[in-house]
Amino acid sequence: EDKVVQSPLSLVVHEGDTVTLNCSYEVTNFRSLLWYKQEKKAPTFLFMLTSSGIEKKSGRLSSILDKKELFSILNITATQTGDSAIYLCAVSDNNDMRFGAGTRLTVKP
Amino acid sequence: EAQVTQNPRYLITVTGKKLTVTCSQNMNHEYMSWYRQDPGLGLRQIYYSMNVEVTDKGDVPEGYKVSRKEKRNFPLILESPSPNQTSLYFCASSSRTGARNIQYFGAGTRLSVL
Repeated sequence: EDKVVQSPLSLVVHEGDTVTLNCSYEVTNFRSLLWYKQEKKAPTFLFMLTSSGIEKKSGRLSSILDKKELFSILNITATQTGDSAIYLCAVSDNNDMRFGAGTRLTVKP
Repeated sequence: EAQVTQNPRYLITVTGKKLTVTCSQNMNHEYMSWYRQDPGLGLRQIYYSMNVEVTDKGDVPEGYKVSRKEKRNFPLILESPSPNQTSLYFCASSSRTGARNIQYFGAGTRLSVL
């Protein structure tokens, strides 16, 4: 059965800390892995990863995919209170998309 | 502005009273999908549609219906809502070409079934 597992489920850090969020998956016919950030409303897109070892970067956020070991990490450096959110990992196959349960990140001042 | 619009945003209803949550997108996307989000379970797919008149079950389709008569609209129908359908619902759409896996989400519909 296809599945996407995120860890940790919850994380509390202080401003300035660096965090690493994990996503492992078992999906038949893998096409891509996506990271979303969800604050109070709808998830918003962060990264899409399709190839192993190629880091995607946007400001303080970066992500990389390992298709051999079937996982991805999302790094956030120098965290700010505005980074507090649920971070969702999703994996798509040929037809649809499967989401993990999310990691709730809380950044304290 | 490119967007996915859901209505209503909030809904309180009683068991058994049929309801419809509308979803419309203005990006000419072929693919549309409905999810429910529950604490600790993440987003679970209810139904998806690859194009007009083509719909398929996701992971949790029981108790829901959908239709895709037009490309832009993908309503979610609860014929006889039950309390276990109390949840936060998201509609999403994506293109079948280019960056086709990037789904754009509506703002969500919070449903309470009493």
